[in-house]
Amino acid sequence: EAGVVQSPRYKIIEKKQPVAFWCNPISGHNTLYWYRQNLGQGPELLIRYENEEAVDDSQLPKDRFSAERLKGVDSTLKIQPAELGDSAVYLCASSLGPGYTFGSGTRLTVV
Amino acid sequence: KNEVEQSPQNLTAQEGEFITINCSYSVGISALHWLQQHPGGGIVSLFMLSSGKKKHGRLIATINIQEKHSSLHITASHPRDSAVYICAVRGSRDDKIIFGKGTRLHILP
Repeated sequence: EAGVVQSPRYKIIEKKQPVAFWCNPISGHNTLYWYRQNLGQGPELLIRYENEEAVDDSQLPKDRFSAERLKGVDSTLKIQPAELGDSAVYLCASSLGPGYTFGSGTRLTVV
Repeated sequence: KNEVEQSPQNLTAQEGEFITINCSYSVGISALHWLQQHPGGGIVSLFMLSSGKKKHGRLIATINIQEKHSSLHITASHPRDSAVYICAVRGSRDDKIIFGKGTRLHILP
């Protein structure tokens, strides 16, 4: 069984540019999470989907961040425009029940 | 105060030592997870616990629901065990996953 697949693995962009991350969850997992992890910190939830519905986006900075999960499968997370402080690892996870599986993450560097 | 607290934050030990990482939480939970994160960002789930004790190879995880405390033990530690170990709980009331800040473990050869 394939795990949670994220791309790209690494991304370097200049500030004010847009960037998008993609996540393909494990087949059948109806819950999908996007997390941001700053250096030396635990992951912080940005948004949680149940199928295609965003059920918790309270921590998503909506002025520059957006996410979608069309058809309740793949998801994209977008930042426009990126700021220096957005440099972090962006992790996607999916779950069906109490367990969950993380992708390898996208390391974003904004210069 | 964070809802999930880990200790220690950083730990350096010699190869072969017995390692203990602690996690305390303040919310009702349906499950507790121990995760391992190597440099580069990928996270691997080591254990999911709702009671008692689990063992996998040299890793042992225990949980005391009454005391809201869990420990991760590594026996006969090895340099390849060097990583960040993260405790995460799933809240029983809102189903949210709450992460600790992680314990950075460095095993010296």
